[in-house]
Amino acid sequence: DGGITQSPKYLFRKEGQNVTLSCEQNLNHDAMYWYRQDPGQGLRLIYYSQIVNDFQKGDIAEGYSVSREKKESFPLTVTSAQKNPTAFYLCASSIWRGSSETQYFGPGTRLLVL
Amino acid sequence: EDKVVQSPLSLVVHEGDTVTLNCSYEVTNFRSLLWYKQEKKAPTFLFMLTSSGIEKKSGRLSSILDKKELFSILNITATQTGDSAIYLCAASRSNYGGSQGNLIFGKGTKLSVKP
Repeated sequence: DGGITQSPKYLFRKEGQNVTLSCEQNLNHDAMYWYRQDPGQGLRLIYYSQIVNDFQKGDIAEGYSVSREKKESFPLTVTSAQKNPTAFYLCASSIWRGSSETQYFGPGTRLLVL
Repeated sequence: EDKVVQSPLSLVVHEGDTVTLNCSYEVTNFRSLLWYKQEKKAPTFLFMLTSSGIEKKSGRLSSILDKKELFSILNITATQTGDSAIYLCAASRSNYGGSQGNLIFGKGTKLSVKP
């Protein structure tokens, strides 16, 4: 079964705590992405990675960190510096069709702050 | 900054109605326009449009791109309650990099279909 998996489905964070969201894909896609979705805001890009051991900041990278040690995995850490982390987090990976890129999404992780 | 604007932001219709969702874009090095459907989880891919005037169709859903006027529409005919979702439009560009990445998303249109 090919696809993108995210875990956990729901995550609770206490004040001052770092938490890590998992994203794994077995589609052999080179590029992977993390988005944050808030009501009425659409998808906002946090970080993305085009290849292993390389990643770039998106529009809202502050308070987040990532790593890309393996092609299949792109974990996102929400640090205590992120003051408003409650949101739905989506991971995606992408494939190029001709000169255009199509992204495919994982099921998401909903993060709640206690 | 590149941007994608969707309208309306929300829409309520009754089963059997036909709806048209709009997406306009201002994107440098534009390559294609993508539509996604998002229910209470991950967005699922619907269409990718690269050429003007060529309609893409899947069942009751169809979409077309106008590269001169920089917009796309998504039509849904004979709507059903299962069509209730957020519909996201994204513009793909070729100059990979920068804080916006390669896909620029609109805020989505929330469609509610009432029985």
